Amino acid sequence: DTEVTQTPKHLVMGMTNKKSLKCEQHMGHRAMYWYKQKAKKPPELMFVYSYEKLSINESVPSRFSPECPNSSLLNLHLHALQPEDSALYLCASSQETAGTSTDTQYFGPGTRLTVL
Amino acid sequence: AQSVTQLGSHVSVSEGALVLLRCNYSSSVPPYLFWYVQYPNQGLQLLLKYTTGATLVKGINGFEAEFKKSETSFHLTKPSAHMSDAAEYFCAVTKGAAGNKLTFGGGTRVLVKP
Repeated sequence: DTEVTQTPKHLVMGMTNKKSLKCEQHMGHRAMYWYKQKAKKPPELMFVYSYEKLSINESVPSRFSPECPNSSLLNLHLHALQPEDSALYLCASSQETAGTSTDTQYFGPGTRLTVL
Repeated sequence: AQSVTQLGSHVSVSEGALVLLRCNYSSSVPPYLFWYVQYPNQGLQLLLKYTTGATLVKGINGFEAEFKKSETSFHLTKPSAHMSDAAEYFCAVTKGAAGNKLTFGGGTRVLVKP
């Protein structure tokens, strides 16, 4: 099973709402990622968790708050977002082989977020 | 800092014709190189990757790519395009040391004409 699942598929929220995006994998991977992808652009890395610890934060605004409750789950909590945050949010996972960056990242289908 | 440049944001090919997508990288250390495909309204799927060893890499769906260090290139080819190849293609690089941070090129959208 090489599947990464994401829920919900679509989300519409107001600027004062609080919502969460969820990501799950059962491949035994120990690295998980959040990416943001604007239309007609490549994905941009937001956060990386390695062994359930935040290892990379690409200077993402605090209105985005990641959480990794266990090795299979990754959440992205959203609060007070702006319309420019509307995008496709992709989750990915990889094995996290020590001392290398050759691991394949497996991507979920994404959550399409619209902020009104 | 490493970066990836994909020449041509759009490529149009006829069904059955050669598909050639260009990717050049700049890196201060030996890179690991990846090609991903993204179909409409979907996530990214790995086509192939180069880490070490043989410089001609074969991937899924009949795609292959050749790592040329002297040209700092990793171009993606497929001998005969199929309608199902219509998608966005991203070249990406990670640095040689530990750290799984993918840096993507700008992407190339492939249109296949019947």
